[in-house]
Amino acid sequence: QKEVEQNSGPLSVPEGAIASLNCTYSDRGSQSFFWYRQYSGKSPELIMFIYSNGDKEDGRFTAQLNKASQYVSLLIRDSQPSDSATYLCAVNIQGGSEKLVFGKGTKLTVNP
Amino acid sequence: GAVVSQHPSRVICKSGTSVKIECRSLDFQATTMFWYRQFPKQSLMLMATSNEGSKATYEQGVEKDKFLINHASLTLSTLTVTSAHPEDSSFYICSARDVTGYSSYEQYFGPGTRLTVT
Repeated sequence: QKEVEQNSGPLSVPEGAIASLNCTYSDRGSQSFFWYRQYSGKSPELIMFIYSNGDKEDGRFTAQLNKASQYVSLLIRDSQPSDSATYLCAVNIQGGSEKLVFGKGTKLTVNP
Repeated sequence: GAVVSQHPSRVICKSGTSVKIECRSLDFQATTMFWYRQFPKQSLMLMATSNEGSKATYEQGVEKDKFLINHASLTLSTLTVTSAHPEDSSFYICSARDVTGYSSYEQYFGPGTRLTVT
């Protein structure tokens, strides 16, 4: 069973702080990693993807990937109350399948 | 780009009736679409993978005769919940794979359909 694990939280940070979200995965052959944001009652929205080891920055978001440790993280700098949502980590399954396996998500609350 | 729509956004039906949900890719062609179900405070559960022009691939435990999927064109997939029961009440979300994207695995989600069976 291919698994993606996330701390369910809730993670609470003050406005302006850095929020750090973590994810581990079990399939060592996975190549593509995604972070989705889901507001309550809404569908997921793709915010970042990363394929290579290291960091990838996009605005206030930085994704970090360590394939040796099977670990991927998302950092949100200068957190805003509007960042309050559930963040889903998703990983592709090795073997040519187009499916993504999703973690259960981490609920982030940014306090004004 | 990469916009996916779903219709209806919300539907209430009586037990025993069937409900059809449409998923459309508006600005790209999607050879593959995915159907998910999400219960309150739980993560996404993949129900099936829909491929244009061929039969859908269902995940283990999902009844293919109850959840009928048709992917008749490169921009439209439909999910029909047949003989719906209250336990089928859930948030149904489709996603589409944009083959022109950087990664062949990128999925873009529709806004979801909230089904309530009374």
